[in-house]
Amino acid sequence: GQNIDQPTEMTATEGAIVQINCTYQTSGFNGLFWYQQHAGEAPTFLSYNVLDGLEEKGRFSSFLSRSKGYSYLLLKELQMKDSASYLCAVNTNAGKSTFGDGTTLTVKP
Amino acid sequence: EAQVTQNPRYLITVTGKKLTVTCSQNMNHEYMSWYRQDPGLGLRQIYYSMNVEVTDKGDVPEGYKVSRKEKRNFPLILESPSPNQTSLYFCASSLSKGGYEQYFGPGTRLTVT
Repeated sequence: GQNIDQPTEMTATEGAIVQINCTYQTSGFNGLFWYQQHAGEAPTFLSYNVLDGLEEKGRFSSFLSRSKGYSYLLLKELQMKDSASYLCAVNTNAGKSTFGDGTTLTVKP
Repeated sequence: EAQVTQNPRYLITVTGKKLTVTCSQNMNHEYMSWYRQDPGLGLRQIYYSMNVEVTDKGDVPEGYKVSRKEKRNFPLILESPSPNQTSLYFCASSLSKGGYEQYFGPGTRLTVT
């Protein structure tokens, strides 16, 4: 089976940088995704990694190490609207998609 | 507008009364999936489909059925709902399996009494 771990909650200050970690164990790895989910809404796509390294997309970056089963999402210049749940998800070659329980990020003024 | 739609958005029903939640996408996506989300938990995959007439079990398929007769539609069927199926359900689609992001529907909040 697959197992994904990420912290339950994090708090950060507006304007700061925060790193949300995700570790996973899977067979047939075919990509790691990060999604953002605001309370009461559907998840929306943030980033995708399939090869080792850093992917940058504006204020958001995501890193992957396949050998370590590790990823992180880096959010820079935090804004109040970044308060949300961040979901790490792993896809497999077989087509399954497994999500972590999500990290609830609270941004304080 | 490219989107995934689900109906109904809210449903309160009683134990044992069969129900269907519809899901439709207009992006010609091959891959579609159903998830449930319970408080404090992430999304758990119920079933997924990699194309028409191809469906597979996710992590929590018990008590659910699906069908994929057309590419755009992927209904979720609860033959005999029970209170432990009270949850928030999301349908999602992507271009194909694997390395493509999923687009999610708005969610269906189901309560089974």
